[in-house]
Amino acid sequence: GAVVSQHPSRVICKSGTSVKIECRSLDFQATTMFWYRQFPKKSLMLMATSNEGSKATYEQGVEKDKFLINHASLTLSTLTVTSAHPEDSSFYICSAKSLAGWDTDTQYFGPGTRLTVL
Amino acid sequence: SQQGEEDPQALSIQEGENATMNCSYKTSINNLQWYRQNSGRGLVHLILIRSNEREKHSGRLRVTLDTSKKSSSLLITASRAADTASYFCATRGNEKLTFGTGTRLTIIP
Repeated sequence: GAVVSQHPSRVICKSGTSVKIECRSLDFQATTMFWYRQFPKKSLMLMATSNEGSKATYEQGVEKDKFLINHASLTLSTLTVTSAHPEDSSFYICSAKSLAGWDTDTQYFGPGTRLTVL
Repeated sequence: SQQGEEDPQALSIQEGENATMNCSYKTSINNLQWYRQNSGRGLVHLILIRSNEREKHSGRLRVTLDTSKKSSSLLITASRAADTASYFCATRGNEKLTFGTGTRLTIIP
């Protein structure tokens, strides 16, 4: 149980285009989903916290108009990188916390999406 | 800001040996978690230790927590080649999980 998927796993796009990344909790409902960014050989940096049905909370320094987050249901959150540029190239990872009851302290992570902007 | 700092940054040991990684943090926490990440992959949750716990075991993993020193250690016993990965500690204060800098562990067959 507690599987989180991401799609796509890898995407290459041209500078100026927008890219949407999906994060799904497959076998549990997630009240809260998180989006992280990871540079090569570096740690994960939290970008934003997404709650179902409400606006995402962005970390300091993260442009909300650049990284659009939508958490439309208890099993799906999307991150759209708008007008992507080469400096947006990175590994994006989402995670989800369960709705309630069991194991609410644990976040389950998706496999990540490698974004390369040419 | 980076909550956790891990030590060492990289560690190479022979298969069968024990591997110890340390994590220090700065603010008060509710719990501390350890994750493993294989190259280019997502994170796998290994173990969670709460602030009122001092030691926890899970299979070949042993985690300690010293809240007075704001530090934790992860011990992997009888290492295997499959343990080669990056290991991150992560602290939870409120809703956020803040990751350390990670230790790159290489097990030499």
